[in-house]
Amino acid sequence: IAGITQAPTSQILAAGRRMTLRCTQDMRHNAMYWYRQDLGLGLRLIHYSNTAGTTGKGEVPDGYSVSRANTDDFPLTLASAVPSQTSVYFCASSGGSLPYNEQFFGPGTRLTVL
Amino acid sequence: AQSVTQLDSQVPVFEEAPVELRCNYSSSVSVYLFWYVQYPNQGLQLLLKYLSGSTLVKGINGFEAEFNKSQTSFHLRKPSVHISDTAEYFCAVSASNSGYALNFGKGTSLLVTP
Repeated sequence: IAGITQAPTSQILAAGRRMTLRCTQDMRHNAMYWYRQDLGLGLRLIHYSNTAGTTGKGEVPDGYSVSRANTDDFPLTLASAVPSQTSVYFCASSGGSLPYNEQFFGPGTRLTVL
Repeated sequence: AQSVTQLDSQVPVFEEAPVELRCNYSSSVSVYLFWYVQYPNQGLQLLLKYLSGSTLVKGINGFEAEFNKSQTSFHLRKPSVHISDTAEYFCAVSASNSGYALNFGKGTSLLVTP
């Protein structure tokens, strides 16, 4: 593994189903983030974690939950998917001693909720 | 809170011509500014960043940007574009009063044609 990996690459999901998007980084970065990207809206922050064991809400957290049991993994869970959650989801991480360090992005997960 | 406005949603340009992608921000505190590029079906990659010091910052692939505090702008420029520069470009701002999370603009689609 090099950098950030996300799984699955894409998924078609029936409304009402539960889904977990996986994100793993091997850079030992403290901070991790989940964004959704929608046409014309750019990227919007869903949830973030500044360090293992802590999480926080971003701009659009409703309908999503996260956990940060260890440094490397930051899964995003949709408890009961709805069509408005159709989007491309990006995981990112940043590290180092400076809080405004560059964020590195994964390749994304394309999710379609029908 | 801080916000970012990318003034052009699409910028068509001919190969070898100069280009400027405009970005304005608003914030009540000191900010850190970033430009990211997203090639088709890929994640985001950092082009350049302004943290402090010289207001003219140089990035990868021949891009540069100038931080203008009085005009609250951070425009991205390249003197001669290539076909391979066709991509989506995002301006982002980070500040201490928001946990250093990135707020993205809605993106500018740069289309370079022969």
